Amino acid sequence: QVQLVQSGAEVAKPGASVRVSCKASGYTFTNYYIHWVRQAPGQGPEWMGWIDPESADTNYAQKFHGRVTMSRDKSISTAYMELSSLTSDDAAVYYCLRVPCNINVCSPQNWFDPWGQGTLVTVSS
Amino acid sequence: EIVLTQSPATLSLSPGETATLSCGASQSLSRNFLAWYQQKPGLAPRLVIYDVFMRATGIPDRFSGSGSGTDFTLTISRLEPEDSAVYYCQQFVNSPLTFGGGTRVEIK
Repeated sequence: QVQLVQSGAEVAKPGASVRVSCKASGYTFTNYYIHWVRQAPGQGPEWMGWIDPESADTNYAQKFHGRVTMSRDKSISTAYMELSSLTSDDAAVYYCLRVPCNINVCSPQNWFDPWGQGTLVTVSS
Repeated sequence: EIVLTQSPATLSLSPGETATLSCGASQSLSRNFLAWYQQKPGLAPRLVIYDVFMRATGIPDRFSGSGSGTDFTLTISRLEPEDSAVYYCQQFVNSPLTFGGGTRVEIK
């Protein structure tokens, strides 16, 4: 079945960077856009951007421009999200998500299914 | 940016009752580009409804979605204890994609 498995919890210092991985299985990795969202405690999810795993094209939410980098390694069907210059406001659970249909017929702006299990990022000195 | 406002913040109902959750958009969603997700504690959100009224795979027919323009509704009929969760709406008409703040459904 289609699965997205994320890397484990991270603790990072203010000003540092964090990188979260998302390994895809059960489908052809390069055929489906991958998005990243984050969710602070008690809040709704917040969209960060997407990556086309085939071309590596990206589209980032304006809020994260200059601080977020999304990348992928096609050889191991894994997407990455790196966030730099961390502050306490970046403490959240970070999720990778897949859009429902093939890149050839599907807009990157879409609903999401499935979601990864989430990665907790703690920012603490 | 399209802001989604969900109400009420919390619903407390008994098994067998009907839950009506609202999602209001700050701009008209010109297409049926709205989804609903269910999130239980410690878990990732799970797709419930897409394209306003289409049920996701494995979702019972007790769940139904409706609405258009700026007003959307998720209805959960014949509530069961397993429906206890936070529900979020999401729009994908415009970038940035946005989510509502959620409605918590509690089963008494």
